[in-house]
Amino acid sequence: DIQMTQSPSSLSASVGDRVTMSCQASHDISRYLNWYQQKPGKAPKVLIYDASKLETGVPSRFSGSGSGTHFNFTISSLQPEDIATYYCQQYDSIPLTFGQGTRLEIK
Amino acid sequence: QLQLQESGSGLVKPSQTLSLTCAVSGDSISSDGHSWSWIRQPPGKGLEWIGYLYPSGRSYYNPSLKSRVSISGDRSKNQFTLHLTSVTAADAAVYYCARSFSDYRDIMGVWGRGITVIVSS
Repeated sequence: DIQMTQSPSSLSASVGDRVTMSCQASHDISRYLNWYQQKPGKAPKVLIYDASKLETGVPSRFSGSGSGTHFNFTISSLQPEDIATYYCQQYDSIPLTFGQGTRLEIK
Repeated sequence: QLQLQESGSGLVKPSQTLSLTCAVSGDSISSDGHSWSWIRQPPGKGLEWIGYLYPSGRSYYNPSLKSRVSISGDRSKNQFTLHLTSVTAADAAVYYCARSFSDYRDIMGVWGRGITVIVSS
């Protein structure tokens, strides 16, 4: 199985801050990497797919980068509604695997 | 508009079989290009992919659950079903169904709202 490791596990930032979190894969997954946002009590929602492609309707303050084993997810200007847990997910091979999540809080 | 709705036994006794159904509206589980997944999330924990169903009827499973899990589809009702046998407390979770992007890319684009499963005698 490909292990996905996210860092940090939690993050506190102020409204308007630039926020970056990371995801590392245990094997080369090319760009088969997605980012999801999950708010409490809700299902996850895909924001970024194929490492850097913005899903339709998702605000442009969200972005992704990386390839191979190291990936980043950035919010350019944090908004109050961005408070959530963010998960990366690889789909290079089965089983599909997720990172353990980064919990984002407002400072 | 595509919608997925989970239903089934929210309370399961240890050692019994968990059965959940995902009803699909706005698309057909037989339509080419999409896989139909089950994903779960134990309380306060992360996401675990359980497996998925292809339109052909073939299923793929997470090896960690493979001996206990089956996913099948009912085209006449446009729904797919998860069976998980010999459940333990570790199987307590919110269970989600989801549809992938087109071209069988394993990007979970549409999710159901989830159903909570408790394992208790």
